[in-house]
Amino acid sequence: DQQVKQNSPSLSVQEGRISILNCDYTNSMFDYFLWYKKYPAEGPTFLISISSIKDKNEDGRFTVFLNKSAKHLSLHIVPSQPGDSAVYFCAASLQTGANNLFFGTGTRLTVIP
Amino acid sequence: KAGVTQTPRYLIKTRGQQVTLSCSPISGHRSVSWYQQTPGQGLQFLFEYFSETQRNKGNFPGRFSGRQFSNSRSEMNVSTLELGDSALYLCASSSRPQGNTEAFFGQGTRLTVV
Repeated sequence: DQQVKQNSPSLSVQEGRISILNCDYTNSMFDYFLWYKKYPAEGPTFLISISSIKDKNEDGRFTVFLNKSAKHLSLHIVPSQPGDSAVYFCAASLQTGANNLFFGTGTRLTVIP
Repeated sequence: KAGVTQTPRYLIKTRGQQVTLSCSPISGHRSVSWYQQTPGQGLQFLFEYFSETQRNKGNFPGRFSGRQFSNSRSEMNVSTLELGDSALYLCASSSRPQGNTEAFFGQGTRLTVV
């Protein structure tokens, strides 16, 4: 049972434009959400996170939006750069639980120069 | 500060054999988690250790086991290997014992079972 879903396996965006990656979750108990970026043959790299008490968190070109009522979050990258091309994973966790992250299946972002 | 170190990076084993993977967390991190990544499945949680105790376990058969040592280093063992165990195994460490904190991943061990 996939509790975190990324329904778009791939996304292509022109350099300089905005990339929007989406993620849905089913477990209303999740209260902390993270985005990771992964290159082939490497481990995921933490990008940005958001607590459920917030609806937006921004870090440079990366912004994560959380809509708790819709159980939906999104990652905005603006402007997109060719170096952003990678697989992006959405993850969720329970604050009171152990360090167990529930991951989506990932979205492959390709930024076209 | 050194990152999470996993050894070996690549491994080829035969069906029926057993394998042990190693993970050294970031210095000072006491929580170590293991994940399996297969094509199309994303990252699936295997288990998590904190202060040498397994606190949480994912939905994997008993052939998958692990342990953590007093210096927080962790090992993962898979016995009676099956072809379907071929995957990238990732280890992550965290500084806090509970959620709402980011986990830092190693580069992974690519296991191929033939």
